Amino acid sequence: AQKITQTQPGMFVQEKEAVTLDCTYDTSDPSYGLFWYKQPSSGEMIFLIYQGSYDQQNATEGRYSLNFQKARKSANLVISASQLGDSAMYFCAMREGAYNTDKLIFGTGTRLQVFP
Amino acid sequence: DVKVTQSSRYLVKRTGEKVFLECVQDMDHENMFWYRQDPGLGLRLIYFSYDVKMKEKGDIPEGYSVSREKKERFSLILESASTNQTSMYLCASRPSRGKNSGANVLTFGAGSRLTVL
Repeated sequence: AQKITQTQPGMFVQEKEAVTLDCTYDTSDPSYGLFWYKQPSSGEMIFLIYQGSYDQQNATEGRYSLNFQKARKSANLVISASQLGDSAMYFCAMREGAYNTDKLIFGTGTRLQVFP
Repeated sequence: DVKVTQSSRYLVKRTGEKVFLECVQDMDHENMFWYRQDPGLGLRLIYFSYDVKMKEKGDIPEGYSVSREKKERFSLILESASTNQTSMYLCASRPSRGKNSGANVLTFGAGSRLTVL
């Protein structure tokens, strides 16, 4: 079974608009972490934002915020005021495993295209 | 400023060849990872290592092996390359997870695109 599900293979958004990229996860571990990475066409993976399972508030980093709904097991990425440079692949990931030998499991990604 | 270096950006190999993909990090990280990335499948974990000479299988270890003789270097080995191993391979590293650490973010290399003919 998929542990990280990204149901949107592709999304379009107009410049300066906000966009939400969906991510749902599946775990029975009470302690876990959720990450979002961006991969531009150049290929490098860029860390965007992190949410711990015990964090009380939704994570924010500049124009990025994570809409964390624990009961629904969702961790959607919200990008406000989209820019052309936001066009990229976006991956949601979950940390699972025992302390110090844990690993990151990635979703299949969402390709975001920002148009003028 | 490069912190995770993958030795080859592009490789073309023939079926049956032995292939080495090298990854070196200069951040003194304990944990290192190899992923492969394929369209529509995202990143899938092949192997990871949390210490020198230690290795753990990821989700898709079949057809691969790894070597970690030194802390800074983590090699991925394809003993006999096959066409279905044509892919982008990404190496990543991070420090060991302290009890109070949160994000403990992975740092990725630029990737190695392998084509097996």
